[in-house]
Amino acid sequence: LAKTTQPISMDSYEGQEVNITCSHNNIATNDYITWYQQFPSQGPRFIIQGYKTKVTNEVASLFIPADRKSSTLSLPRVSLSDTAVYYCLVGRVMRFGAGTRLTVKP
Amino acid sequence: EAGVAQSPRYKIIEKRQSVAFWCNPISGHATLYWYQQILGQGPKLLIQFQNNGVVDDSQLPKDRFSAERLKGVDSTLKIQPAKLEDSAVYLCASSPRTVNTGELFFGEGSRLTVL
Repeated sequence: LAKTTQPISMDSYEGQEVNITCSHNNIATNDYITWYQQFPSQGPRFIIQGYKTKVTNEVASLFIPADRKSSTLSLPRVSLSDTAVYYCLVGRVMRFGAGTRLTVKP
Repeated sequence: EAGVAQSPRYKIIEKRQSVAFWCNPISGHATLYWYQQILGQGPKLLIQFQNNGVVDDSQLPKDRFSAERLKGVDSTLKIQPAKLEDSAVYLCASSPRTVNTGELFFGEGSRLTVL
């Protein structure tokens, strides 16, 4: 079971790009990397998933280096509504860690 | 498309009482998960069903928690007897896949307060 490590919290300002890095040193060959977002009083919401290199969708980009021991979720031009907890999950067992609490300030 | 439905949204009970939560996943989704989320923590996986069989219940406190998914559709999570530390939001999620990749769809959760 791959263990993940993320910063507990991050602050940013509106309009900035935010990068949240997740370390997963013991990722297995077949493991995918998945990121979720959670607002207060709501269930987590899927953001993006990748296996290697770069994945981009309408919400975010996910950068995965060749060794796959870490990954970076990139949120372009954040707004106040991006204030949430972001979770990195690795592998086939859908277990969440403590996540990263992102606060976007005006 | 209807999302994952959960009920009740809120429940307040006293310790040693019992409580049950219900989850109706998105139609056709094979895999169903129950999570416990204590305030300030990430969701903790309690049990995973694939159709009506249990895939993972290693973190389910089986002395007081039970869950079933009859006919591979909706599911019930029961706590009996409840303890103060069971106060949490109980989240249900479903996925169309039988392999743990891709997107989980979460319900809004059932908030339990044990007094």
